[in-house]
Amino acid sequence: DQQVKQNSPSLSVQEGRISILNCDYTNSMFDYFLWYKKYPAEGPTFLISISSIKDKNEDGRFTVFLNKSAKHLSLHIVPSQPGDSAVYFCAASDRYDYKLSFGAGTTVTVRA
Amino acid sequence: DVKVTQSSRYLVKRTGEKVFLECVQDMDHENMFWYRQDPGLGLRLIYFSYDVKMKEKGDIPEGYSVSREKKERFSLILESASTNQTSMYLCASSPGRGTGNYNEQFFGPGTRLTVL
Repeated sequence: DQQVKQNSPSLSVQEGRISILNCDYTNSMFDYFLWYKKYPAEGPTFLISISSIKDKNEDGRFTVFLNKSAKHLSLHIVPSQPGDSAVYFCAASDRYDYKLSFGAGTTVTVRA
Repeated sequence: DVKVTQSSRYLVKRTGEKVFLECVQDMDHENMFWYRQDPGLGLRLIYFSYDVKMKEKGDIPEGYSVSREKKERFSLILESASTNQTSMYLCASSPGRGTGNYNEQFFGPGTRLTVL
């Protein structure tokens, strides 16, 4: 049973607008969350992370929000650029484990 | 620049063949992982290793085995390839506890395996 869920398989957004990607998790032991970005024919690359002691982390155009009570996190990309077109994976882990649990991914397409 | 390399980008094998996928990392990481990526299923963990000669099963180990004889190298073995093992295979590594952020994994470029 998947412990990390990305319920939107795809998202299309106009260049310059905001992209919002959502992720839900079921395991209350998860306390560290990451977003990875993947282009076709390449491996995923780390984008941004957040620890459960925070509710927001920002890095340039990318901001991750964490709502622990709802077991929900989101990634905001502002403004969206054509180079942001990729598959985005949400991942989670707990402090006692090396392993990551991944969501199914959301394919983002940024339209010019 | 940190690097995880995989021996092949594309591989085509026949049903029943034994298949070896090799992964090498140059970051002196303790942990190494093998995943497969399938549409709609995301990345699923096959096996991981937290030390040389140590291995643990992930979520979908059936039909696979692994070998880690040296710290930098982690091999995935398909003992008898089947068509349902056609997939993208991704290797990753991460530091051990106390040496870095062990939650952050670094990925190789992937091997697209087709089993006919």
